[in-house]
Amino acid sequence: GIQVEQSPPDLILQEGANSTLRCNFSDSVNNLQWFHQNPWGQLINLFYIPSGTKQNGRLSATTVATERYSLLYISSSQTTDSGVYFCAVVFSLGGSQGNLIFGKGTKLSVKP
Amino acid sequence: DSGVTQTPKHLITATGQRVTLRCSPRSGDLSVYWYQQSLDQGLQFLIQYYNGEERAKGNILERFSAQQFPDLHSELNLSSLELGDSALYFCASSVGISGRDTQYFGPGTRLTVL
Repeated sequence: GIQVEQSPPDLILQEGANSTLRCNFSDSVNNLQWFHQNPWGQLINLFYIPSGTKQNGRLSATTVATERYSLLYISSSQTTDSGVYFCAVVFSLGGSQGNLIFGKGTKLSVKP
Repeated sequence: DSGVTQTPKHLITATGQRVTLRCSPRSGDLSVYWYQQSLDQGLQFLIQYYNGEERAKGNILERFSAQQFPDLHSELNLSSLELGDSALYFCASSVGISGRDTQYFGPGTRLTVL
């Protein structure tokens, strides 16, 4: 069925470490977005990336649409990076009608 | 700041009551989406409006309804509230209808039903 799977579910890092978060999706997509939900509950747009590679400061993302996965890289992590990272997609055929389908998220804790 | 505004930020009410959540989309965006985030269900799509018309429905209960007004702001009405309706409700907006555009999320309304 239609699925968005994120791994790992939990990640604990020391400040300054790098990390890679993964999102697998079950079918072709029209839209893929990465979000950071901070401890106050706000959902912050990180990337719109249905294919290709983008970079924004210490964050970068790559989506390989043909292999149905996306990666979010966080370099030199800071305590403010803590929170939950969500991947969300709009599937091209069925399963969604323009709305995003979210994965369960990766909970990141960065220790000082 | 995403440009999407939601009011109120917090809402505490009792079972059986009715509440209205309000959303103003980003300037120029015609689509409005409502999502619910609960501990057990995660982030789920409720309903989408485009330029005043309902376009798609997700896991929205019959006790819930929504509308989009001519000025494009949207309201989500929740009635006969139950404890399980306690959740964070997000509104998102995008330019078009296809789902190919970036969806920008508001800060959310945290609903607590006691």
